[in-house]
Amino acid sequence: AQKVTQAQTEISVVEKEDVTLDCVYETRDTTYYLFWYKQPPSGELVFLIRRNSFDEQNEISGRYSWNFQKSTSSFNFTITASQVVDSAVYFCALSEGNNAGNMLTFGGGTRLMVKP
Amino acid sequence: GAVVSQHPSRVICKSGTSVKIECRSLDFQATTMFWYRQFPKQSLMLMATSNEGSKATYEQGVEKDKFLINHASLTLSTLTVTSAHPEDSSFYICSANHPGQGNYGYTFGSGTRLTVV
Repeated sequence: AQKVTQAQTEISVVEKEDVTLDCVYETRDTTYYLFWYKQPPSGELVFLIRRNSFDEQNEISGRYSWNFQKSTSSFNFTITASQVVDSAVYFCALSEGNNAGNMLTFGGGTRLMVKP
Repeated sequence: GAVVSQHPSRVICKSGTSVKIECRSLDFQATTMFWYRQFPKQSLMLMATSNEGSKATYEQGVEKDKFLINHASLTLSTLTVTSAHPEDSSFYICSANHPGQGNYGYTFGSGTRLTVV
């Protein structure tokens, strides 16, 4: 069974600080996909990144970066020089296999509060 | 890109009435759609997997007679909350996979905030 754990329920930082959101996953499949989503107060889910299990290369997109380590089953997300607009709930998610009918399993989410 | 439209965005209904939520894939055909529920300050929990032309698959603990799912076409899935009660108040969100993107092309609707009074 697939499982995603986000141990940090809430994080509070001051603007311009760097912050890392942790994500640990469990799966028995060798093929799987990992995701990060942002959920602002309005509720919609904003897609941030997708990674497949065969690509451990880290990724950087502007102030966002992701560190995927299969050895520790982790897919951590770092925001550099955080801004107030980054305040939201962030979800890590996992989908096993390689089929459009496979569900997404979400972690519990991390609420990030960036204070000015 | 793939777009999923969900309506209504907000609905308030009286206890005992039924509410229908629509989820449409606008520019692609979705054989499978997913319905999630999110209670305040909690994560998204899968309620059911909706398959075009067949019965939905419900997750353990979700009452199939209370949450009716109909996926009659490749672009429309509906979730009807029957005999709604205040404890059904929640944020409901659907998603669909673009068929050309396997299980890595999830597109989400904007969600429906249901309040039962």
